[in-house]
Amino acid sequence: GQQVMQIPQYQHVQEGEDFTTYCNSSTTLSNIQWYKQRPGGHPVFLIQLVKSGEVKKQKRLTFQFGEAKKNSSLHITATQTTDVGTYFCAGLGDYKLSFGAGTTVTVRA
Amino acid sequence: KAGVTQTPRYLIKTRGQQVTLSCSPISGHRSVSWYQQTPGQGLQFLFEYFSETQRNKGNFPGRFSGRQFSNSRSEMNVSTLELGDSALYLCASREQGGQPQHFGDGTRLSIL
Repeated sequence: GQQVMQIPQYQHVQEGEDFTTYCNSSTTLSNIQWYKQRPGGHPVFLIQLVKSGEVKKQKRLTFQFGEAKKNSSLHITATQTTDVGTYFCAGLGDYKLSFGAGTTVTVRA
Repeated sequence: KAGVTQTPRYLIKTRGQQVTLSCSPISGHRSVSWYQQTPGQGLQFLFEYFSETQRNKGNFPGRFSGRQFSNSRSEMNVSTLELGDSALYLCASREQGGQPQHFGDGTRLSIL
């Protein structure tokens, strides 16, 4: 069945540095979605990518969808303490949404 | 529009008991999905309902069941509770397939 792998599981970042989290699917996806869960909160939708090779930006966050529609990445520049939380990717394939295990981000001030 | 509402927010049960959790989706959303979240395990998919029919099911034992009513509200039932069932149970709704999920605050279930 469809599996979505996400790495790294944990990311410890110095404030002001950049980092990237990666998402890989075993099958071709219809779209990929990214969510953020703050500590003690619930996942909140960030963005959806649909087209092959698509790139979208939200302020300091850059999301990419691979050409083969099997992988995606989230790159955050100039990390701030507000970026703390767990970032999940979720791939849609055969009408089923599969979540990655998430990347938990902590920030050193 | 009101968001996804889950009740109760917290629940304490003992082993062997059963529990029913409730989820009211965003108005107009016909799809409701349930997830189990435990530390280090991410979001484990339980099942999805669409127009009162179970559309997808995760790899959970038959003790976990659900249903959806004509007004799209959904309930999840867990019978013969085990210690390992302690988790945050999240409900999410969406208009239809392919659309983003909107999550509720979850029900935190503790088994003693």
